[in-house]
Amino acid sequence: EAGVAQSPRYKIIEKRQSVAFWCNPISGHATLYWYQQILGQGPKLLIQFQNNGVVDDSQLPKDRFSAERLKGVDSTLKIQPAKLEDSAVYLCASSPPGRGASYEQYFGPGTRLTVT
Amino acid sequence: AQSVAQPEDQVNVAEGNPLTVKCTYSVSGNPYLFWYVQYPNRGLQFLLKYITGDNLVKGSYGFEAEFNKSQTSFHLKKPSALVSDSALYFCAVRDIIRAGNMLTFGGGTRLMVKP
Repeated sequence: EAGVAQSPRYKIIEKRQSVAFWCNPISGHATLYWYQQILGQGPKLLIQFQNNGVVDDSQLPKDRFSAERLKGVDSTLKIQPAKLEDSAVYLCASSPPGRGASYEQYFGPGTRLTVT
Repeated sequence: AQSVAQPEDQVNVAEGNPLTVKCTYSVSGNPYLFWYVQYPNRGLQFLLKYITGDNLVKGSYGFEAEFNKSQTSFHLKKPSALVSDSALYFCAVRDIIRAGNMLTFGGGTRLMVKP
């Protein structure tokens, strides 16, 4: 089966500009996650969707970050305006429905964002 | 709050020797524990998980991990390391009673296997 797709793979922007990342999860996966991975650190959850509803966005900086998952499939993560500290790899992951908390997550290749 | 600690930034091992990558965790209730591996410019790949049952779990590529409740540890092991095992390894924990079941990752351990 096809894996989690993300685009773009790389993005360089100047601070105060806006940027958007796109994710297409594995077909049939109801749960979608966005993570931020700063260099030298483990991934940090930004937001979790169950179908098109938000389950957890407690670590999302809502003053500048937003995410949506229309129709419960693809998702877009936006940063506006970007700051230097937003430079990181943004990972999208998905997991299948109906398996409870024991399921593993399947990760995309990530988008490497550099803010100058 | 749940947390994961990986005390070693890097582990060096010679090819053919056994390897251990350490992980300790903290949760309020019972944990679900995971190991992921990350190769350069790629996303994380699932290796193995502990949910319940046997404390020794086996996963992909010959890796295994031992759950120790009294020491709150979940160390990753492999009997004989390969050069191709060189990568970044992440331990993660999920508290099964937390709403949304957020996965918390450790800071990662870089494994270097030398020929």
